[in-house]
Amino acid sequence: GAVVSQHPSWVICKSGTSVKIECRSLDFQATTMFWYRQFPKQSLMLMATSNEGSKATYEQGVEKDKFLINHASLTLSTLTVTSAHPEDSSFYICSARALSQAEETQYFGPGTRLLVL
Amino acid sequence: GDSVTQMEGPVTLSEEAFLTINCTYTATGYPSLFWYVQYPGEGLQLLLKATKADDKGSNKGFEATYRKETTSFHLEKGSVQVSDSAVYFCAPSTSYGKLTFGQGTILTVHP
Repeated sequence: GAVVSQHPSWVICKSGTSVKIECRSLDFQATTMFWYRQFPKQSLMLMATSNEGSKATYEQGVEKDKFLINHASLTLSTLTVTSAHPEDSSFYICSARALSQAEETQYFGPGTRLLVL
Repeated sequence: GDSVTQMEGPVTLSEEAFLTINCTYTATGYPSLFWYVQYPGEGLQLLLKATKADDKGSNKGFEATYRKETTSFHLEKGSVQVSDSAVYFCAPSTSYGKLTFGQGTILTVHP
C-alpha cells in the first residue's frame, strides 16, 4: 500500500515551454501533497505544500507564478513549470500524506527528471 | 527553525560491516522522526520511523531510537549488504506535517 506515482518520469523540453508533472496517490487519499526539488548530490528542497481544494502554500523564494500547483482531487496534484528555462532543470519529487490526521508519514513518488534545453 | 545535521559522507564499508549514520536535530515540540532511503535515480522510500521518545523504529535490519534527551535519531545496521548502497536522509516532521531533510549521507558497500 501507500504508492505514489509521478508522470512523466523524465521530460526534455525547449526553453520557454511549459511542462506539467502529475503526482497521484494510487491506493490512498491524500489531504496534503508536497513538491520538492533536488539538485544533484544535494538534499530535497521543499517548494510548496498543496491541500486538496485550496491554494498551495509556497516556501520562501519559490515563485508561485513560475511553479503552478493544482490539487484537484484527493489523489492528484499537478506541478506546472511555466516558461521553463535551463536553470529549472532538476529532479522534481512529490510526496503525499494520507487522509488520516494521525498518519504523518509522507510517501514519495519516484521523481521526474526535467531537462530544459 | 527546524534543522537536521547528518553525519558527513560518503561512508564506504565492506559487506557485513556495522553501520552507524548519526543524525541530530533541532525542532520545536516533539516531532516524529523518519529515515528515508534513496536509491540511484529514484525517489525516496520510507525506511523507518519513530513517533515518540524512546521509540525504536526498525525495518530490513536497520534500527534507530528516538532519543529526546540528546535530540538524536542515529541509524544503525549490524551487517550491511551491497544492496544497501544508497543515500540516507534523516528527517523530523513538524506539527504541520512538513519534513526537514538533512543533507543526506551516501553509503557505498563493497563486496
